Parts: sequence; C-alpha cells; structure tokens
Amino acid sequence: QVQLLQSGAEVKKPGASVKVSCKASGYTFTSYYVHWVRQAPGQGPEWVGRIKPSDGSRIHAHKLQGRVTVTRDTSTNTVYMELSSLRSEDTAIYYCARDNHVWSYDYWGQGTLVTVSS
Amino acid sequence: QSALTQPPSASGSPGQSATISCTGTSSDVGGYNHVSWYQQHPGKAPKLMIYEVNKRPSGVPDRFSGSKSGNTASLTVSGLQAEDEADYYCSSYTSSDSWVFGGGTKLTVL
Repeated sequence: QVQLLQSGAEVKKPGASVKVSCKASGYTFTSYYVHWVRQAPGQGPEWVGRIKPSDGSRIHAHKLQGRVTVTRDTSTNTVYMELSSLRSEDTAIYYCARDNHVWSYDYWGQGTLVTVSS
Repeated sequence: QSALTQPPSASGSPGQSATISCTGTSSDVGGYNHVSWYQQHPGKAPKLMIYEVNKRPSGVPDRFSGSKSGNTASLTVSGLQAEDEADYYCSSYTSSDSWVFGGGTKLTVL
C-alpha cells in the first residue's frame, strides 16, 4: 500500500534551518510528483512546493522563494523539504503529499510539526 | 496568491444535505478544472474527497459531490452522517503554476 513516512517533530530557533524528510513506499517513486503543504495552527493549508522525482525539477511558492528547497533521493525514495531563515510564522505542521497526476493530493504523510521559538 | 474564500461554518441534521462554497478568481477556480476538496478530522492529515471538480476517488461515498460555476466551486454532502463532521478545504491549481487552498469550513452535523 502507498505510504509516505515523514521525519519527527522539530524545534528550532529563529534564523535556523530545518530539513524534513518524506520516505515513499508502495508505488513507483519516479512516476508521481510530490508536493509539500504546511498548515499553521488553526489555519487552512498552504502550498509550499513540488518536485518531480524522475528528474528533480521543482517549483516553490513565491512567498517562500529563496528560503525553501525541495529535493529528492531516488536511491532511498525520499523527498526532502528544507526551510531556512526560520521565523515564528513558519511554525506549522508540514505535510508531504503525492500528486495523483491531475493536480490533487491522493496520499499524505502523517505530518511533521515544526516549531520556531526562541 | 490570495486564499480561496470559504464560509467558516456549515451545518445540517443527520440525513439532510449541506453545501460548502469556495470562491476564487478566473486565475484559479474559474480558469481550471483542477479543483479539489479535502476532509480533515482533528489531528489527522487531510483526505482527498473530490478532484477535478466532481470526481470521487475510490472509497469515497457517493454522498459527496462537487460542482463549479464560474469562479465558485461547491461541495455537497448528502445524507449527512455523524462521521462527516470535520473541516473541509478546497484547493485549486493557479495560473502562477502554484496551488491555493481555502481557509476551511467546519461542517457540523447537528
């Protein structure tokens, strides 16, 4: 069965960086785009970025341009999301999600809570 | 890219229907059929309920249906059941090659 298993919760200080991983299993990793979506406490989701695992091409939310990088490792079927220069407003649950080929997310990771606090 | 507009709350009695709207612009909802709806229970990851405006993934009950008119998409839940009580979010692909979500609607089954 399709599974997306994310790394554990992180607590970071303002200005630091965080890298969250998402290990995919149960399907052909290179055949599906993977997105990152974050959700601040009590808020709606916000799209962060997307990667095409087959060639590594990626796009990121304009709002986070320059601070976010999405990468992948095809040898371990893992996608990563790194966010730098962290601010308190980056505190959120970060989810990875598989794209079902028609720009919707059919499988989601369990979420990774990133807390930014001094 | 501004968030899509959803009403903060909706409700209905068991067995009745509830409809949630999602308003965007011609650059997102109105311009593409890549509109999706997600259900989220507290402490859980979102679950895809509708994609491409009105298609249901395997396993989603046919009580859930979607539609779109102009810049507004809608999700209708018929024959409401207690387990339908959750937060619902719409999402759309945009002309900026990005995705945008709505602020969410809390559906209460009375």
